[in-house]
Amino acid sequence: DQQVKQNSPSLSVQEGRISILNCDYTNSMFDYFLWYKKYPAEGPTFLISISSIKDKNEDGRFTVFLNKSAKHLSLHIVPSQPGDSAVYFCAAYNNNDMRFGAGTRLTVKP
Amino acid sequence: DAMVIQNPRYQVTQFGKPVTLSCSQTLNHNVMYWYQQKSSQAPKLLFHYYDKDFNNEADTPDNFQSRRPNTSFCFLDIRSPGLGDAAMYLCATSRGPARNEKLFFGSGTQLSVL
Repeated sequence: DQQVKQNSPSLSVQEGRISILNCDYTNSMFDYFLWYKKYPAEGPTFLISISSIKDKNEDGRFTVFLNKSAKHLSLHIVPSQPGDSAVYFCAAYNNNDMRFGAGTRLTVKP
Repeated sequence: DAMVIQNPRYQVTQFGKPVTLSCSQTLNHNVMYWYQQKSSQAPKLLFHYYDKDFNNEADTPDNFQSRRPNTSFCFLDIRSPGLGDAAMYLCATSRGPARNEKLFFGSGTQLSVL
């Protein structure tokens, strides 16, 4: 069962514009959420996280929003840069159980 | 730099021939994980070690085994690889199992089964 879903396999945006990556989850027991970024030929690296007690966390150009009632979180990147081109994985955590989404490939065009 | 290292980057094995993938870490982390990722799918946790304690996911096939001889090394053994086991295998570490402990991943080993 896929408890964490990233329904957009790919996203293309222009440099300088906002990138919005979406993630939906089905298990209301998830209480911590993370985003990982993966470049080709490298392992995923941690990007940003949010606890379920918050609805927003910001780190520089990256902001994660959490809507618990909708079981939805999103990652906003603004302004987008060509170096942000990568696969982004959403992950959700509950009680030693972390589930990943299938990822969204972001392409930022110069 | 402290890191998680996986060898080899690419591994080719024959159907039914045992294969071992290796992972080492210089982070001195307590927890080591093995994930399987098939093309365009989410990484799937196979098992993890918290120190020497082995934790197997309920749906991990018996064909997959793991060893952690010391803090730094962890191995994934596939006893009789099938065509369906072809995938990227990712090793990851974390300081502890707590929810806010981020994972540090290796670059992965791409396994092909002929």
